[in-house]
Amino acid sequence: AQSVTQPDIHITVSEGASLELRCNYSYGATPYLFWYVQSPGQGLQLLLKYFSGDTLVQGIKGFEAEFKRSQSSFNLRKPSVHWSDAAEYFCAVVPAKTSYDKVIFGPGTSLSVIP
Amino acid sequence: NAGVTQTPKFQVLKTGQSMTLQCAQDMNHNSMYWYRQDPGMGLRLIYYSASEGTTDKGEVPNGYNVSRLNKREFSLRLESAAPSQTSVYFCASKSRGTGFTYEQYFGPGTRLTVT
Repeated sequence: AQSVTQPDIHITVSEGASLELRCNYSYGATPYLFWYVQSPGQGLQLLLKYFSGDTLVQGIKGFEAEFKRSQSSFNLRKPSVHWSDAAEYFCAVVPAKTSYDKVIFGPGTSLSVIP
Repeated sequence: NAGVTQTPKFQVLKTGQSMTLQCAQDMNHNSMYWYRQDPGMGLRLIYYSASEGTTDKGEVPNGYNVSRLNKREFSLRLESAAPSQTSVYFCASKSRGTGFTYEQYFGPGTRLTVT
């Protein structure tokens, strides 16, 4: 079945440590890929997106993500986490060869940051 | 420019009551969406509207109806609320057409409790 998975439900890191959040998708063709962040009590904000081209994409707030076709993955990274990065992170997919209107979200990864 | 607005912010219903969640966007976007967010489930698409006059079912449409009133407004109706519909509801919009970026813009959410 077509799906978006985020294997880690919850991650805790120390402030200043590096971070990697995993995202895998199971669609036949390479979809369009997104990472969103949701701070407590807020709506979602786009961090970055991948459509084609360079497989390493840069986003806001110092985040980057790498698309790996062979692994059907789009993992989010940050070299040094700040306490303000504590939030819920969602990977999202727009399946290719569709009307491009349907957006499917993964279950999310909750990030806690230890001062 | 208010972006995406949702009303109400909070609502408590009794089982069997009906209500309509309102959503409006002022970004001239064609596509609009309703999601529900539950712990551990991420965002699940209820209904979406690719353009004025069209609506389509998402992943979890049962128990809901929608109306795309005009290009700006997209409402979600619960005809007979059930405790299983206790959730946080998010409205989103996205541009569509040549050069569109697929990025969704989210409202602040409506927290609904059905007792």
